[in-house]
Amino acid sequence: SQTIHQWPATLVQPVGSPLSLECTVEGTSNPNLYWYRQAAGRGLQLLFYSVGIGQISSEVPQNLSASRPQDRQFILSSKKLLLSDSGFYLCAWSDLARNQPQHFGDGTRLSIL
Amino acid sequence: EDKVVQSPLSLVVHEGDTVTLNCSYEVTNFRSLLWYKQEKKAPTFLFMLTSSGIEKKSGRLSSILDKKELFSILNITATQTGDSAVYLCAPQGYGNKLVFGAGTILRVKS
Repeated sequence: SQTIHQWPATLVQPVGSPLSLECTVEGTSNPNLYWYRQAAGRGLQLLFYSVGIGQISSEVPQNLSASRPQDRQFILSSKKLLLSDSGFYLCAWSDLARNQPQHFGDGTRLSIL
Repeated sequence: EDKVVQSPLSLVVHEGDTVTLNCSYEVTNFRSLLWYKQEKKAPTFLFMLTSSGIEKKSGRLSSILDKKELFSILNITATQTGDSAVYLCAPQGYGNKLVFGAGTILRVKS
């Protein structure tokens, strides 16, 4: 069966520091991969999605970037974090060829001080 | 611009009550509508609705889609404290991307 791993679970970073969040999927190949951010009391906002290695689409202008160096690995990065980058970050995957829903990792709660 | 409105924003009920959660949407190139349950961490998948008027059921939960009125409802019968969560509606539109509503916070009191 397919599983998705996301780490770390929580992270506290100072303003101006770099960021790297990692997400990996097991048990499938060529998944669609997604990064979302959820602000407190709000729905999920799509940040990036990827349909293949090296293919990244950005949904909103922001201080973050994403990369997909391997088929089942998706990384969210920043060179210098802002206070506004605080939030709950979720990675998800789906198999569009089979019209399956997106399934989410457990998320990373990021606090910027 | 894509838009999803969920109502009510929050709801408190007693165990055994029946609840109806609402979702209205305007999404470009609509393909399907998904419902998720979110407790403390990851949203977990409940239903994917593609066709109008066909109810999907899973235990005490059921959901239906009206593509003409751009509307979906999620029903939970005989609620239990374990149903307490945020319920998220997410139509799937252009590029197969999900557009999430803000969610309905459900609290079931024992």
